[in-house]
Amino acid sequence: SQQGEEDPQALSIQEGENATMNCSYKTSINNLQWYRQNSGRGLVHLILIRSNEREKHSGRLRVTLDTSKKSSSLLITASRAADTASYFCGVISGSARQLTFGSGTQLTVLP
Amino acid sequence: DTAVSQTPKYLVTQMGNDKSIKCEQNLGHDTMYWYKQDSKKFLKIMFSYNNKELIINETVPNRFSPKSPDKAHLNLHINSLELGDSAVYFCASSQDKIGVLFFGSGTQLSVL
Repeated sequence: SQQGEEDPQALSIQEGENATMNCSYKTSINNLQWYRQNSGRGLVHLILIRSNEREKHSGRLRVTLDTSKKSSSLLITASRAADTASYFCGVISGSARQLTFGSGTQLTVLP
Repeated sequence: DTAVSQTPKYLVTQMGNDKSIKCEQNLGHDTMYWYKQDSKKFLKIMFSYNNKELIINETVPNRFSPKSPDKAHLNLHINSLELGDSAVYFCASSQDKIGVLFFGSGTQLSVL
């Protein structure tokens, strides 16, 4: 079954603004990971958050996890044009032990 | 050095043909994967392969077969290509089954 559904599908903001993307999933998880994909390239890992963690930071990125709501959010602060990309959340469920994704959020940061 | 490399980057072929995509990782990882990304960017796992244990997504047609000559390589062979097989195929690897994935740059397959 499909896991890691991102929302919104597309997001367009001005440079300097914050961008928030959400991810929902269906079953219990081991961990949740956020990835970035530039056009024509492979996915690049950003942050991994474990099921017993609630928040993690990495530079301008902040990830939260709410296991009771089966959801996560990725916040990019002070966005730059170079942040323009697709962002995917992947979840590893307790049983499947495979990272499953959705269709991503296409973020466009306008200069 | 490229951590996960896959070839070719572009593959254009006729329906009914058989083709292979090669993948190699130099990270010393134990687990390798194949993902398919469709035109709507939905990323679907096809296979994972760890120490000769193959986990197949049940929705993958048996025309698709992974072949792993050694731990550093996981090739994807596709028989009797169909129009619906057109997509971008990504190879990835990880140290363990629940860790971070490292992706290749993808193979754009177009079936005419």
